[in-house]
Amino acid sequence: EDQVTQSPEALRLQEGESSSLNCSYTVSGLRGLFWYRQDPGKGPEFLFTLYSAGEEKEKERLKATLTKKESFLHITAPKPEDSATYLCAVQAITTSGTYKYIFGTGTRLKVLA
Amino acid sequence: SAVISQKPSRDICQRGTSLTIQCQVDSQVTMMFWYRQQPGQSLTLIATANQGSEATYESGFVIDKFPISRPNLTFSTLTVSNMSPEDSSIYLCSVGSRRTDTQYFGPGTRLTVL
Repeated sequence: EDQVTQSPEALRLQEGESSSLNCSYTVSGLRGLFWYRQDPGKGPEFLFTLYSAGEEKEKERLKATLTKKESFLHITAPKPEDSATYLCAVQAITTSGTYKYIFGTGTRLKVLA
Repeated sequence: SAVISQKPSRDICQRGTSLTIQCQVDSQVTMMFWYRQQPGQSLTLIATANQGSEATYESGFVIDKFPISRPNLTFSTLTVSNMSPEDSSIYLCSVGSRRTDTQYFGPGTRLTVL
């Protein structure tokens, strides 16, 4: 069964304290892996797409990496405004041959000033 | 990326009633989707809204409960029918890009059923 697992569920960091969020997946026919940021009461905001093992993407203090089994979202010197829930999703092939997203449950990040 | 709006942004409804949520995109898009995000949980795909034909529903979701319309390439509606408190969720529409496979999400509709 296709599955996406994110860890930790919640993370509290001091401002400037770097860390990593994990997204592990088991899926047949991976087409892409996506990272989103979701603020309370809002829809997910797209961050990155990764397609193949070894690929890396960066945006400001965030860097996403991908292996064959998992992805990491590295946060360098975070600031309080980085506080949000970070969602990981994989795009997998369905039994009917179409593609759909499977989301993890997210990591709630809180950065303290 | 496309600009996506949803109406209403939130609503409180009585058990047994129905609510229709609208999703408007500022450009023509091929793929539109509807998701549910229950409290403390992740996003679950309800259906793919197909323009000019019936929506494609995921396992566990049926047309009688969640009828969907997609009259053109910029607009879709999701109706939550005969609501119960278990339907209290955030409902999100998203649009997909065939070129990049990336989905972009609307702001969501927060539904509370009493």
